[in-house]
Amino acid sequence: LAKTTQPISMDSYEGQEVNITCSHNNIATNDYITWYQQFPSQGPRFIIQGYKTKVTNEVASLFIPADRKSSTLSLPRVSLSDTAVYYCLVGDGAAGNKLTFGGGTRVLVKP
Amino acid sequence: EAGVAQSPRYKIIEKRQSVAFWCNPISGHATLYWYQQILGQGPKLLIQFQNNGVVDDSQLPKDRFSAERLKGVDSTLKIQPAKLEDSAVYLCASSLDTGFKGYTFGSGTRLTVV
Repeated sequence: LAKTTQPISMDSYEGQEVNITCSHNNIATNDYITWYQQFPSQGPRFIIQGYKTKVTNEVASLFIPADRKSSTLSLPRVSLSDTAVYYCLVGDGAAGNKLTFGGGTRVLVKP
Repeated sequence: EAGVAQSPRYKIIEKRQSVAFWCNPISGHATLYWYQQILGQGPKLLIQFQNNGVVDDSQLPKDRFSAERLKGVDSTLKIQPAKLEDSAVYLCASSLDTGFKGYTFGSGTRLTVV
């Protein structure tokens, strides 16, 4: 599985946009980029997945450049409840591959 | 759809005691995972089951940890004897098929070993 690098922590304020960039220089052709979110005292939950260009859902947007060596998770107009740890994962999810978490990015949203 | 159920929610034991955690996955999910999450770190996979068979237990400390998934549904994870460094949150997850977007995690059991 491709190794990922993301910032350890980020602070933001309510109403701002938060962008978390993840580096994955060794991403393979079949790999997808997946982001999970973990609130305090809860297990991680899936928020978004993409392969290339841009993906948007009701929670976030995911921007992936053409070379796919990095990706940016964008959280629009964050609120206090978006305070969480965000994990970037890269892999093809094929049988035998498991979710392997790094340290994640701790996002703290301040009032 | 009901989520992944785990119990107990919290457990405090003394070192060298034994402890067991229980997980009930989402109905129909063939694959079940146990993760260990130490404070400040990402979850680390301990064991993966496909139905009632073990697919991967390479990171399970087998001298003290054991897990089973009888009848391919519920699962239990046991630690005997516990060490101080086993203090962590133990997360159970299940998935219907392959693909990284389909994992559903429980809220975990927070174990404190004193």
